[in-house]
Amino acid sequence: EAQVTQNPRYLITVTGKKLTVTCSQNMNHEYMSWYRQDPGLGLRQIYYSMNVEVTDKGDVPEGYKVSRKEKRNFPLILESPSPNQTSLYFCASSLLGVGTVNEKLFFGSGTQLSVL
Amino acid sequence: AQTVTQSQPEMSVQEAETVTLSCTYDTSESDYYLFWYKQPPSRQMILVIRQEAYKQQNATENRFSVNFQKAAKSFSLKISDSQLGDAAMYFCAYRSFLGSEKLVFGKGTKLTVNP
Repeated sequence: EAQVTQNPRYLITVTGKKLTVTCSQNMNHEYMSWYRQDPGLGLRQIYYSMNVEVTDKGDVPEGYKVSRKEKRNFPLILESPSPNQTSLYFCASSLLGVGTVNEKLFFGSGTQLSVL
Repeated sequence: AQTVTQSQPEMSVQEAETVTLSCTYDTSESDYYLFWYKQPPSRQMILVIRQEAYKQQNATENRFSVNFQKAAKSFSLKISDSQLGDAAMYFCAYRSFLGSEKLVFGKGTKLTVNP
């Protein structure tokens, strides 16, 4: 089954304790991206990657890191989490990442992060 | 930069009735894509419908249709014969035709369906 898998689904941590949210896709997609969703703000892009070893900042990259060492994986790293990073996080992927007619963005099922 | 505005934080509809969710956007581009996503309580983001800006014909998907007004930069979603399963957050989103692959989302509209 074609899917984007995020782990964990829920995570509670404390300020300053490094954490990683994993994202993996099994569709050989070139493009992968991370979004955060906050009430009243919708979803905002954190980082994206067009291919292996190619990453770039989205709208809200501060406090986050990503890596793309393999095509299928795109982990989101919080080196020193703070309470303002409490949010719902989504990983997404698509085949080409370009707005072609039949392009579809596949989303993971989300990670609810709470930083105390 | 592009922006997407959903002016209705919450909407409600009676089962079997029709409801329209509003979305406006701001862009200087002539080619782009517009989307409506549904997010039920499961949190999964589900693509409802997509519209290419160069197409004059409004997109339809079963009970879901859009009213795309390019000059007015308006992209509303109409849900006909509403069902209890339609209850969800609905997000309008914009994507450039070329360049950045980013989806720009509105803040969402929470739709309640009353039995």
